Amino acid sequence: GAVVSQHPSRVICKSGTSVKIECRSLDFQATTMFWYRQFPKQSLMLMATSNEGSKATYEQGVEKDKFLINHASLTLSTLTVTSAHPEDSSFYICSAPRGGFYNEQFFGPGTRLTVL
Amino acid sequence: AQTVTQSQPEMSVQEAETVTLSCTYDTSESDYYLFWYKQPPSRQMILVIRQEAYKQQNATENRFSVNFQKAAKSFSLKISDSQLGDAAMYFCAINTNAGKSTFGDGTTLTVKP
Repeated sequence: GAVVSQHPSRVICKSGTSVKIECRSLDFQATTMFWYRQFPKQSLMLMATSNEGSKATYEQGVEKDKFLINHASLTLSTLTVTSAHPEDSSFYICSAPRGGFYNEQFFGPGTRLTVL
Repeated sequence: AQTVTQSQPEMSVQEAETVTLSCTYDTSESDYYLFWYKQPPSRQMILVIRQEAYKQQNATENRFSVNFQKAAKSFSLKISDSQLGDAAMYFCAINTNAGKSTFGDGTTLTVKP
């Protein structure tokens, strides 16, 4: 199956710093990628849709200026958590559909962010 | 907008037995796909099975099968001959042509040896 990677897998940072998370589709091109946030034993909460060559589309309630998304190429999307605070600590997952919107999502392994 | 409801937060099954996880959904779209994803303790989401809404035949993947009832908007997952490695959180999801997946709240499956 298709492979999506995420880096880093874990990051610990101090409050007020910014953290960048990369999501790469390794063996297919992804014009669209999705970013989710997941709390323990809960479902995936869609944060935003990353679109190659255009601005990301954010879900209601997600701060655009706090969670910056850049889809720099057909294989790379980045999520930057700016001025991170302890409440931003969470598990962040990216995904990409291959072959069309109806197709299954291929998920990255996730990034555990801890803000001290 | 789409909604997905998984009414069983937790389920347990004895090893080698069969278990069914429930899922209902709602959508106004005529074309859509339904999925079951598995999230083991590693938290890597993987696809279990997929069902195209226009197909009447229920999808099957080895020990995993679905009971797709389109009129009732029901999409349950049956796991036969349960194995210890099946222990995970299972998410039901729907894709429409908007491209997004809408997920249910998940069912945590415990497999007892």
